[in-house]
Amino acid sequence: SAVISQKPSRDICQRGTSLTIQCQVDSQVTMMFWYRQQPGQSLTLIATANQGSEATYESGFVIDKFPISRPNLTFSTLTVSNLSPEDSSIYLCSVAVNVQETQYFGPGTRLLVL
Amino acid sequence: AQKVTQAQTEISVVEKEDVTLDCVYETRDTTYYLFWYKQPPSGELVFLIRRNSFDEQNEISGRYSWNFQKSTSSFNFTITASQVVDSAVYFCALASGGSYIPTFGRGTSLIVHP
Repeated sequence: SAVISQKPSRDICQRGTSLTIQCQVDSQVTMMFWYRQQPGQSLTLIATANQGSEATYESGFVIDKFPISRPNLTFSTLTVSNLSPEDSSIYLCSVAVNVQETQYFGPGTRLLVL
Repeated sequence: AQKVTQAQTEISVVEKEDVTLDCVYETRDTTYYLFWYKQPPSGELVFLIRRNSFDEQNEISGRYSWNFQKSTSSFNFTITASQVVDSAVYFCALASGGSYIPTFGRGTSLIVHP
């Protein structure tokens, strides 16, 4: 399976600021996704990051709050904008070689908003 | 609509005990995929297994085994002779309806005491 890295691994941010999370894969993949895991909760899909076009957002998530970039087949960023304490979560990047394949996850980014 | 239920919120066992994590799923589709992922305290989600709906054979991998029963819509996971390193949150997930993006259960926290 692909090796996936995320930066930063954790961060503490002030409310009203933004945090950009990077996801890097060691091989080209068709599919990249961003998930949120709030404390003690399950994973919720934020969006599918599409290479060369706008991300596809799930219900309840909007581009203004969670802008996503995917400039190529190995890299994506997720920005969490205008942070509030409710944004404190683990944010996970996942990848799949193609649409039918299993998703593999990165190590996650732990965000605490004060 | 698809749904995954992991009724056990937390399980506590002593090392070397066997433990079974339950997963019940709901879907109207005849073609679907079931997954188990492990999330240790470090936060990374580790892929364990994927099964498709046409393959009801049980699977064994070392101390891990999976029992897939379509008659009861269950995909249970057993750890034999548990170890402290097995302590983690385990997520069951389901992908169906032509989408390969899984819906996750709420997870079961397994604590293995020495």
